[in-house]
Amino acid sequence: QKEVEQDPGPLSVPEGAIVSLNCTYSNSAFQYFMWYRQYSRKGPELLMYTYSSGNKEDGRFTAQVDKSSKYISLFIRDSQPSDSATYLCAMITLLSGGYNKLIFGAGTRLAVHP
Amino acid sequence: GAGVSQSPSNKVTEKGKDVELRCDPISGHTALYWYRQSLGQGLEFLIYFQGNSAPDKSGLPSDRFSAERTGGSVSTLTIQRTQQEDSAVYLCASSLDSTSYNEQFFGPGTRLTVL
Repeated sequence: QKEVEQDPGPLSVPEGAIVSLNCTYSNSAFQYFMWYRQYSRKGPELLMYTYSSGNKEDGRFTAQVDKSSKYISLFIRDSQPSDSATYLCAMITLLSGGYNKLIFGAGTRLAVHP
Repeated sequence: GAGVSQSPSNKVTEKGKDVELRCDPISGHTALYWYRQSLGQGLEFLIYFQGNSAPDKSGLPSDRFSAERTGGSVSTLTIQRTQQEDSAVYLCASSLDSTSYNEQFFGPGTRLTVL
């Protein structure tokens, strides 16, 4: 079993839809939870990160963490064609010595059509 | 300012040849990471540098893979005797340091194709 599970999709939605992207994880030692966005032929870029359980909002994006269920979500409101990308969840365990090792999900491909 | 750069952007090679991939991190970033991304897969950790030393090489898939970093800056990932299963996008990232939480900034990747 992978430490982080993410449905690869693809997910296709009409413009304006609410999108829900999810990951589950098995390692309770994960401390930080991130969402990266990756456009085609580009490197991933950090979209949001959270530390504790609960919601964090940034514009049209909301990140949600439920540590008790080991489940994280990213919601995109009023989705736009420019949101079409692969979304990767990532989690960090701070190992001894303070080294932050990122563990990624497989990524979900999202297509928002006009 | 300048981000993480990688070269070449694309590399096509024949099976059995050696390849070198280069990463220039953001100036002042002491931590550097190499990942591999195969088609439809997430990012697979390969190796991590703090300064010029590599405390964690656990992700290197075989002894054909090696990496070095010089001057606390540029890093080179070398793959010897390439195999077709090495075909992937190789991504480099850097962060301010490796303690606590520091955002990792990614380069655009090198797309390696082994024929």
